[in-house]
Amino acid sequence: AAGVIQSPRHLIKEKRETATLKCYPIPRHDTVYWYQQGPGQDPQFLISFYEKMQSDKGSIPDRFSAQQFSDYHSELNMSSLELGDSALYFCASSTDPSSYEQYFGPGTRLTVT
Amino acid sequence: KNQVEQSPQSLIILEGKNCTLQCNYTVSPFSNLRWYKQDTGRGPVSLTIMTFSENTKSNGRYTATLDADTKQSSLHITASQLSDSASYICVVSATVNTGFQKLVFGTGTRLLVSP
Repeated sequence: AAGVIQSPRHLIKEKRETATLKCYPIPRHDTVYWYQQGPGQDPQFLISFYEKMQSDKGSIPDRFSAQQFSDYHSELNMSSLELGDSALYFCASSTDPSSYEQYFGPGTRLTVT
Repeated sequence: KNQVEQSPQSLIILEGKNCTLQCNYTVSPFSNLRWYKQDTGRGPVSLTIMTFSENTKSNGRYTATLDADTKQSSLHITASQLSDSASYICVVSATVNTGFQKLVFGTGTRLLVSP
């Protein structure tokens, strides 16, 4: 069965650079969630989208922005990267925002040097 | 404040033995509780999901319980295998006023199954 696809899987950037992470949800899933997981920490909710509109916002820094496109894939744009942004970034998708089940992607490991 | 706390933080057991992981939460309004297994560097994988009216659910060797009155849940792993070595995360979902599900993640229990 198709799963959530994230790209790239690994990314190395320098401080003050920008990064774009991509998430392709499971087909027919129209809701996408972004999470940030620092080393040894539990995932922190960043932002979610439903039908190409932002549906909820968590602890996403102002330096980050995200959007969902017409094909339901989503991109997380990160600017002015800081060392503390180094983390695993997970994307999850569900059939709709009220769905109990969120399917997580494999994550993108971002390293800021 | 919405919180999910898990215990123990880490656990080492011998292959073949059973173990039980605990989860206490203060999330409101409660919608459902999930247990995820997360291998290092991988995305969480759902093991069980329980709503308010369910007090036990099994998935193979994994059995989760929920006591909505005391706001406690447990995950029991039977006849552990080396592949069970992972972090187990308790996640409680609240239904926000827009109808969306907001997940509150627990701190996780890191399980190591030793041969």
